[in-house]
Amino acid sequence: NAGVTQTPKFRILKIGQSMTLQCTQDMNHNYMYWYRQDPGMGLKLIYYSVGAGITDKGEVPNGYNVSRSTTEDFPLRLELAAPSQTSVYFCASSYSGQGGQPQHFGDGTRLSIL
Amino acid sequence: QQPVQSPQAVILREGEDAVINCSSSKALYSVHWYRQKHGEAPVFLMILLKGGEQKGHEKISASFNEKKQQSSLYLTASQLSYSGTYFCGTEPRSGTGNQFYFGTGTSLTVIP
Repeated sequence: NAGVTQTPKFRILKIGQSMTLQCTQDMNHNYMYWYRQDPGMGLKLIYYSVGAGITDKGEVPNGYNVSRSTTEDFPLRLELAAPSQTSVYFCASSYSGQGGQPQHFGDGTRLSIL
Repeated sequence: QQPVQSPQAVILREGEDAVINCSSSKALYSVHWYRQKHGEAPVFLMILLKGGEQKGHEKISASFNEKKQQSSLYLTASQLSYSGTYFCGTEPRSGTGNQFYFGTGTSLTVIP
């Protein structure tokens, strides 16, 4: 049972480059989330989705874009990488939003921008 | 919007108890608790819904005071495996869509 799968696990980017972080889940969850976690800090919500075709901004959306064309996939795109985007990115999913459903996390993508 | 956790860090000997607190300035629908070990993803522990219920998970339990928008995580008879960083996560009750806010984290170290 794979759960939430993120790729790649590690990546180094140059300033100004773009890339897509992939996230897929096989639990048929409706809700999906992207978080970033800076060293020694808590997680901050970047974007979330309540179902295919529906996305919304979280607390720190600037510099990122998302799409949700299927229930399973929720990619996160960085268009013009900046050093401030160096972080660990976690994707999570839950069966629903409000209603007390736990979030299941992927293993994370460690991204460095130099 | 980010909930505040206290203490920031705590060191325990095996078998000792600890309490971690989480406080929000917003009315909450629910509070989640997660544990994250170094270099790993957060792992779900439990959810507290509005209504002040208390839940338990082995020797870890939690409470939610809806009036004060505060939650506490209780770890009893701590084990080495309890070491990690504990985060509360909060769902505001209204006006913010489906936003979710993680707390500042509490580092827990259990020593033999």
